[in-house]
Amino acid sequence: GAGVSQSPSNKVTEKGKDVELRCDPISGHTALYWYRQRLGQGLEFLIYFQGNSAPDKSGLPSDRFSAERTGESVSTLTIQRTQQEDSAVYLCASSLGGRVFGDTQYFGPGTRLTVL
Amino acid sequence: GIQVEQSPPDLILQEGANSTLRCNFSDSVNNLQWFHQNPWGQLINLFYIPSGTKQNGRLSATTVATERYSLLYISSSQTTDSGVYFCAVDWGGSEKLVFGKGTKLTVNP
Repeated sequence: GAGVSQSPSNKVTEKGKDVELRCDPISGHTALYWYRQRLGQGLEFLIYFQGNSAPDKSGLPSDRFSAERTGESVSTLTIQRTQQEDSAVYLCASSLGGRVFGDTQYFGPGTRLTVL
Repeated sequence: GIQVEQSPPDLILQEGANSTLRCNFSDSVNNLQWFHQNPWGQLINLFYIPSGTKQNGRLSATTVATERYSLLYISSSQTTDSGVYFCAVDWGGSEKLVFGKGTKLTVNP
């Protein structure tokens, strides 16, 4: 079946603008994760959704970042008033169960965000 | 906060060689994961391994939680094993994952 998809694949925006990134998880996967990867660096965990439970947002770097997920479907990551340091690849992953179950995470191709 | 250190930062091998990658962490963890990111950026979750040993084909991982380290073994390496290997730990009461900086592996034909 289809894997995790993300859109757009690339986004170039001007400093100060808002952007919205979308993630379509694999159908039936209850868990969804957002990560950020700056150029040449490791991954930063941003947020984790598990079913209908309240997400842990402790990985979000500032209050300009927010994420939503409706049920067990699409998730959107919104960055308000973008800054140049927000430039990165934003990766989404989904898994059948949550991390407590140790289920494999399947990653999307990422959205490359460039803030000018 | 917790520190996650991976070694070596870079590793170059000839095809067929074996290798061991290490991940040290500074505090008790709830879980530990290994990821592989290929040269085109695609990430794969390899193992969840809070303790003990797991094997998947040519890859195996061992975590010794009491001594705060994990090892990833790659046997009979292939060029497709090239990429960056990340270790990440679940720490504390939140779901926040903390990643190491990765080991960049290059397997030459």
